[in-house]
Amino acid sequence: KNQVEQSPQSLIILEGKNCTLQCNYTVSPFSNLRWYKQDTGRGPVSLTIMTFSENTKSNGRYTATLDADTKQSSLHITASQLSDSASYICVVIRYQKVTFGIGTKLQVIP
Amino acid sequence: EAGVAQSPRYKIIEKRQSVAFWCNPISGHATLYWYQQILGQGPKLLIQFQNNGVVDDSQLPKDRFSAERLKGVDSTLKIQPAKLEDSAVYLCASTRGEQRNIQYFGAGTRLSVL
Repeated sequence: KNQVEQSPQSLIILEGKNCTLQCNYTVSPFSNLRWYKQDTGRGPVSLTIMTFSENTKSNGRYTATLDADTKQSSLHITASQLSDSASYICVVIRYQKVTFGIGTKLQVIP
Repeated sequence: EAGVAQSPRYKIIEKRQSVAFWCNPISGHATLYWYQQILGQGPKLLIQFQNNGVVDDSQLPKDRFSAERLKGVDSTLKIQPAKLEDSAVYLCASTRGEQRNIQYFGAGTRLSVL
């Protein structure tokens, strides 16, 4: 069983709509949890970084939340744009060990 | 600042051939990572360097994969001999010592083994 599970695996939404991506993890405690955006053919780019004690972090239209009790994190994208089409990867870091989720592939259509 | 540089961007080889990838991390970044990302999956750590020393290579298939960072700056990852299942994107990432949790990734090298 993967220590970081993401859902849904893929998602298609209309431009301008909001969406929420989920990340469930079993790695605990951890030093931080990150969300990355990975465009096709590119390396991942960090969107948000939250420590174990934080429960929300925003970066423009991206807002990440963390519930340490339920071991869940979500990434909410507001007013989606075509350029948001990418894979979104949840990453949990415990000491120096980095555990990646498989990612959610988001496609924003006009 | 300049990002993490990787080369080549693409490589196509036949199985049993050898291949090498190169990574130049961001200047001043002490920690360097190599990841393997198979299509449709998240990156899997192959090896982590702290300066020129290996911190974690537990998931590196050492019978065919090797990596070095001799001067603690740039690094090479080699596969010899390659297998079909090695087809993947190989990502290099680096972190600054005091900000070790912020990883910066290169664009990756896409390897196709035929």
